[in-house]
Amino acid sequence: KAGVTQTPRYLIKTRGQQVTLSCSPISGHRSVSWYQQTPGQGLQFLFEYFSETQRNKGNFPGRFSGRQFSNSRSEMNVSTLELGDSALYLCASSYILSGTDTQYFGPGTRLTVL
Amino acid sequence: GIQVEQSPPDLILQEGANSTLRCNFSDSVNNLQWFHQNPWGQLINLFYIPSGTKQNGRLSATTVATERYSLLYISSSQTTDSGVYFCAAKGAGGTSYGKLTFGQGTILTVHP
Repeated sequence: KAGVTQTPRYLIKTRGQQVTLSCSPISGHRSVSWYQQTPGQGLQFLFEYFSETQRNKGNFPGRFSGRQFSNSRSEMNVSTLELGDSALYLCASSYILSGTDTQYFGPGTRLTVL
Repeated sequence: GIQVEQSPPDLILQEGANSTLRCNFSDSVNNLQWFHQNPWGQLINLFYIPSGTKQNGRLSATTVATERYSLLYISSSQTTDSGVYFCAAKGAGGTSYGKLTFGQGTILTVHP
């Protein structure tokens, strides 16, 4: 099976712009989670989607949003970018919602905000 | 929410040495995973181990759920083992679904 894929892999934006990142889960997986990794804060949970519905959300401002499509692919959007949004954004997929199974991560999208 | 602490923060070894990485968690868990982050940032799954012991080649892991810790053992380390190792857990209570809480990681450097 193909793994979790994320596009684009690298992105450079300027402050005030918005950005959309995409994640395709492993075939058959219906749960998609997003994480942000920064040197200062480490890996932090953003949100999780299952069956096109947001099931859980981390402590991030409303500028961070996401959605999931009927084929389980997910996108996350960050509006009005700030310098502090520069980070590695990781997507993970799993088969079930309860979280009692293995989460598999994609290669990440490295976002730089200038 | 659950707290996850890893130790040591840094570990430097000579090739061939053995090592033990520790992960303490503050509450009961129903999901605990160990990852190795490669130089390009991808998290590689090592173990899904909410309890018990597993082995995969030179790596093994043990989680003692009742005492709220997990250990990752690396034997006969190689330079390719270098990188950051993360422990991540999900608390057994509440409705946090798939949210994994990560430790701060252990940076492992293996010298030839």
